[in-house]
Amino acid sequence: AQSVTQLDSQVPVFEEAPVELRCNYSSSVSVYLFWYVQYPNQGLQLLLKYLSGSTLVKGINGFEAEFNKSQTSFHLRKPSVHISDTAEYFCAVSDWHGSYIPTFGRGTSLIVHP
Amino acid sequence: EAEVAQSPRYKITEKSQAVAFWCDPISGHATLYWYRQILGQGPELLVQFQDESVVDDSQLPKDRFSAERLKGVDSTLKIQPAELGDSAMYLCASSNRDKDGYTFGSGTRLTVV
Repeated sequence: AQSVTQLDSQVPVFEEAPVELRCNYSSSVSVYLFWYVQYPNQGLQLLLKYLSGSTLVKGINGFEAEFNKSQTSFHLRKPSVHISDTAEYFCAVSDWHGSYIPTFGRGTSLIVHP
Repeated sequence: EAEVAQSPRYKITEKSQAVAFWCDPISGHATLYWYRQILGQGPELLVQFQDESVVDDSQLPKDRFSAERLKGVDSTLKIQPAELGDSAMYLCASSNRDKDGYTFGSGTRLTVV
């Protein structure tokens, strides 16, 4: 069975600093990987996804993530954060169990300080 | 930009009462999902529909929860009777293909008192 571990529950950072949100997964087969962002009292918005091909994936709002198969990781990065990036970030992994329903991590709260 | 519509946005209900949530997916999306998100946690799948058929409801507490998508378009999730532990955000999502990721609605925040 697939599982996702987001290693940090909260990541505080100053505006314009770089940030990395960590995600590790476990699965016995090939996987698809996703990062979603959730603003307060909103649904989840897809930031980026890895399906196959290049291991470096670029998404919206300047975010990118790198798939590392040997380390079973899919860390999210941004070189310079803004106050508006303050939100909850969820990593999700899906593999084939009749359909590709993803399993979500518990989330990482990114808090950007001025 | 197409959106997944959910209503109501907020619902407060007394325990033992019935409550229902509605979702209208993006037009043309055959697959619809209901998720429950407890505060401070990631979403957990309750039920998946492919058109009007249930594909996976293994995590749906069937003694009190029910879901339907009669015409394969919009969907209703019902809880009867509601319990205090049902307080959560209920999210609806739809997709064209699972591996493309989902489009989520804004959710219904349920508070059971």
